[in-house]
Amino acid sequence: DAMVIQNPRYQVTQFGKPVTLSCSQTLNHNVMYWYQQKSSQAPKLLFHYYDKDFNNEADTPDNFQSRRPNTSFCFLDIRSPGLGDAAMYLCATSRLTGVSYEQYFGPGTRLTVT
Amino acid sequence: DAKTTQPPSMDCAEGRAANLPCNHSTISGNEYVYWYRQIHSQGPQYIIHGLKNNETNEMASLIITEDRKSSTLILPHATLRDTAVYYCIVRPNNYGQNFVFGPGTRLSVLP
Repeated sequence: DAMVIQNPRYQVTQFGKPVTLSCSQTLNHNVMYWYQQKSSQAPKLLFHYYDKDFNNEADTPDNFQSRRPNTSFCFLDIRSPGLGDAAMYLCATSRLTGVSYEQYFGPGTRLTVT
Repeated sequence: DAKTTQPPSMDCAEGRAANLPCNHSTISGNEYVYWYRQIHSQGPQYIIHGLKNNETNEMASLIITEDRKSSTLILPHATLRDTAVYYCIVRPNNYGQNFVFGPGTRLSVLP
């Protein structure tokens, strides 16, 4: 039944060591999003893909990159994680219908940087 | 910046209706009101959305004032599992406009 799947649920990485978080979806939605949510804060959009068209938010650090090899999968790469990048990372999808754009979120990956 | 204002926290007795207010006084004519909730350590969950008419689904009802400057999410019979942070978001219903989450309302349903 899982529609938006994120692996792993918990990830520990070392300061400066590259890390990749993954997201997959069974909804066949053409838009996929990555959000960062720090403790006790609201989710903040990092970037999104409309099909293969990548859209970066203006304030997303260059340290964060993304790949979407096909409709089902999307990856978040953090090139050199700092202590401030410890957060929950949420993947979401939506389908362009012209009527509504509700987003479906995965359970998130909680990243710890040591 | 989020375009909505919500109380930071609310309590509700189990079994009673939970009424969560949201102010969006600068809402534009083409912007919809969306509600999401986030249960602890889970991803946000879509609840309901509307433009100007009241809406109801299996989870909740959404009441939007006639001038559209505020709305209320109603959980008719709150349960302990409804304890969560509730986010009210306004955005145009077209691609290119993304969700901006404000701090939301932390609803605690008490036994």
